[in-house]
Amino acid sequence: NAGVTQTPKFRVLKTGQSMTLLCAQDMNHEYMYWYRQDPGMGLRLIHYSVGEGTTAKGEVPDGYNVSRLKKQNFLLGLESAAPSQTSVYFCASSPGTGYGYTFGSGTRLTVV
Amino acid sequence: DQQVKQNSPSLSVQEGRISILNCDYTNSMFDYFLWYKKYPAEGPTFLISISSIKDKNEDGRFTVFLNKSAKHLSLHIVPSQPGDSAVYFCAASPRRTDSWGKLQFGAGTQVVVTP
Repeated sequence: NAGVTQTPKFRVLKTGQSMTLLCAQDMNHEYMYWYRQDPGMGLRLIHYSVGEGTTAKGEVPDGYNVSRLKKQNFLLGLESAAPSQTSVYFCASSPGTGYGYTFGSGTRLTVV
Repeated sequence: DQQVKQNSPSLSVQEGRISILNCDYTNSMFDYFLWYKKYPAEGPTFLISISSIKDKNEDGRFTVFLNKSAKHLSLHIVPSQPGDSAVYFCAASPRRTDSWGKLQFGAGTQVVVTP
């Protein structure tokens, strides 16, 4: 099925460990986004990309890095995980400005 | 500082009745607004949108109203059905700034439709 695929779906990390979340879309969308969802906070933008090879910071970028080496993939990295990064992470893509997003099903990350 | 606010964390409504979800925003540069619906363990899905040049947009049972002077929008679901039980997020984007295309989301409203 066409859409946005996130892997893994669940992960438990120990404080200080690193990991990479993968987002892949097959809709040829230019724009891709990483959000985190926390109770009472809605979705907050971490990083985004407006095209292959480009990335930019969002609202809450600290502690995260991203890369978009291929148009269809957007990777979110945590170099040294902290308990404050326990959250549900959503990737989204869109054809461009003025369009709604297509979201992945999310990655639930727990940092202990 | 949240620029999109959904002040009602939950709403319970009887099947067949109207559900009204409210959203307020503070950034006067916002002029594209969307509603997303989210079921547990799934990503949000697009429901309906409205541009600031309109004050109403309908799509089947869903209608969004925009009051620019009050910086307020609402989503009406008529009639409400059990499958409408979900979390609804309001989102907004400014068109004419460097934030164009980046949606800002409210905290969400959990809707429960009871038989």
